[in-house]
Amino acid sequence: EAGVVQSPRYKIIEKKQPVAFWCNPISGHNTLYWYLQNLGQGPELLIRYENEEAVDDSQLPKDRFSAERLKGVDSTLKIQPAELGDSAVYLCASSSLPQGGSTGELFFGEGSRLTVL
Amino acid sequence: AQSVAQPEDQVNVAEGNPLTVKCTYSVSGNPYLFWYVQYPNRGLQFLLKYITGDNLVKGSYGFEAEFNKSQTSFHLKKPSALVSDSALYFCAVSALYNQGGKLIFGQGTELSVKP
Repeated sequence: EAGVVQSPRYKIIEKKQPVAFWCNPISGHNTLYWYLQNLGQGPELLIRYENEEAVDDSQLPKDRFSAERLKGVDSTLKIQPAELGDSAVYLCASSSLPQGGSTGELFFGEGSRLTVL
Repeated sequence: AQSVAQPEDQVNVAEGNPLTVKCTYSVSGNPYLFWYVQYPNRGLQFLLKYITGDNLVKGSYGFEAEFNKSQTSFHLKKPSALVSDSALYFCAVSALYNQGGKLIFGQGTELSVKP
């Protein structure tokens, strides 16, 4: 069974440029998460989807960040414009239960490392 | 508010010795507790979880964790460490009646196992 797939693995851009990350969750997993991981820190939730609905986006900086999950499968996370402080690893995860974080485990992708110059 | 603390940034252990990675939590109500491991340039991998029942939980790669409600702790343990166990370990918590699947992670503990 294929795991969570993310691309690109690495991205280097200049500040004020846009960037997008893509995530393909494990087949059949209805819940999809985007996490932000700063160097030396634990992941922090940005947004959680149940199918195509964003059910928790309270931590997403909506002035520059946006996300979508059309058709309830793949998801894209976009930053426009990027700032120096956005340099981090963006992790995508999926789970099979509506409350996967409560009763089941999350399956993480390898992450997309963003460097903003 | 939910929170997780991992008091040690780094733990150093000799191969073959037992290891403990500490975690304490704060949550309203009964907690769901997790341990994840992250190898360099990789995503997080699930190790084990405590939902209810026996306080000693066994997980992948010979790891186990002990839930202690009175001390609000969920320490990760392994009887005999391997060099290949060297990685970054994260404890995470979710409240029983949470906002729906929101895991709160600790800041991580770097485990180094030397031959």
